Amino acid sequence: GEQVEQLPSSLIVQEGASVLINCSYTDSASVYFPWYKQEPGKRLQFIIDIRSNMERKQTQRLTLLFDKKTKHLSLHITATQPGDSAIYFCSASINTNAYKVIFGKGTHLHVLP
Amino acid sequence: ETAVFQTPNYHVTQVGNEVSFNCKQTLGHDTMYWYKQDSKKLLKIMFSYNNKQLIVNETVPRRFSPQSSDKAHLNLRIKSVEPEDSAVYLCASSRDSANTEVFFGKGTRLTVV
Repeated sequence: GEQVEQLPSSLIVQEGASVLINCSYTDSASVYFPWYKQEPGKRLQFIIDIRSNMERKQTQRLTLLFDKKTKHLSLHITATQPGDSAIYFCSASINTNAYKVIFGKGTHLHVLP
Repeated sequence: ETAVFQTPNYHVTQVGNEVSFNCKQTLGHDTMYWYKQDSKKLLKIMFSYNNKQLIVNETVPRRFSPQSSDKAHLNLRIKSVEPEDSAVYLCASSRDSANTEVFFGKGTRLTVV
């Protein structure tokens, strides 16, 4: 079945820095890749997504790149703030079973003031 | 407020007891899910329902049983809990299939002593 790998597992940066979170998946039938953020004590929150017919998506300080050939995604966060400290999850769902989203293990981001 | 609501927030119980968790969504979505998040923050799909129909039933022990009275409610019952059931159980919903943004509840933290 589909597997989603995420690296790094944790990141500590100074406020204002940019970060890159990498994600890879195994099932070439995967078509939809949402990312979620989980702040301490809060619910998982959708932040950005991309579909397999796109290469790039940008919203505010987030840029999501998708490479279908290498089955790789990367999330770039610019001008980080302490409020960005959270666990970031990459996920994938395949067209044949659209009701099953597989999550990566998460990247713990700590932004120091 | 439109969201996904879970009760209780926390539950502590002894091995062998039965527990039941409730979930309601007021977003008008057709699809609901149960996820398990362990102590390392790993997220695993357990069940998916679409319009009260079970769509996804992952390799989950038989002591776990979902119950859906209508498309806005999806409860989770665990008969005879075991120590490895200690986790946060996240309920979620989406508009149709999982190829759209998924909205999560705040979770129910189960501790089995």
